[in-house]
Amino acid sequence: DTAVSQTPKYLVTQMGNDKSIKCEQNLGHDTMYWYKQDSKKFLKIMFSYNNKELIINETVPNRFSPKSPDKAHLNLHINSLELGDSAVYFCASSQGARGGGYTFGSGTRLTVV
Amino acid sequence: SQQGEEDPQALSIQEGENATMNCSYKTSINNLQWYRQNSGRGLVHLILIRSNEREKHSGRLRVTLDTSKKSSSLLITASRAADTASYFCAPLNRDDKIIFGKGTRLHILP
Repeated sequence: DTAVSQTPKYLVTQMGNDKSIKCEQNLGHDTMYWYKQDSKKFLKIMFSYNNKELIINETVPNRFSPKSPDKAHLNLHINSLELGDSAVYFCASSQGARGGGYTFGSGTRLTVV
Repeated sequence: SQQGEEDPQALSIQEGENATMNCSYKTSINNLQWYRQNSGRGLVHLILIRSNEREKHSGRLRVTLDTSKKSSSLLITASRAADTASYFCAPLNRDDKIIFGKGTRLHILP
């Protein structure tokens, strides 16, 4: 069973559209994250979320919003997509209070045309 | 949260040789983690070393931590083609979120 799964794996869409990327973890972790990896391979944290707190990286445009229906899911919704949003988006989870390692999903490659 | 700085930025070695990469950080930590990213794939957690540990082994990996110098090293022994990847360190305090640096790009030559 995949520990952290993201769907879709690839997403090609036009500018201006709204899209969502789904993430699910079956590890029982209490904290989930979204990271963005740009064309220069630099990984940036976008959000971290547990059932108590959402922490948003202040550089993330408010067109991006995380939605968590339950502690096993953290979906990423993006409004009014722009060309610069093209990147690989990674979901991750960890047992935050224990300070353990993160488990990453395999990524969603988003291409905005 | 703080970002680790990996050094060197890129490293090419012959298959079978050992590879060493280093990480420096600025403020005190609870633990330091190393991750690997193969091209186009998600990151994989390799090893975690706590601030009260000096050395840790996992298979062909050896990690050291020197809290007085605020530095860590990752040694991969007897390198293989499959070790070709980018390696990232993550110095963390409790409740910190990982902020990744640029990593070390390791290339194993046949």
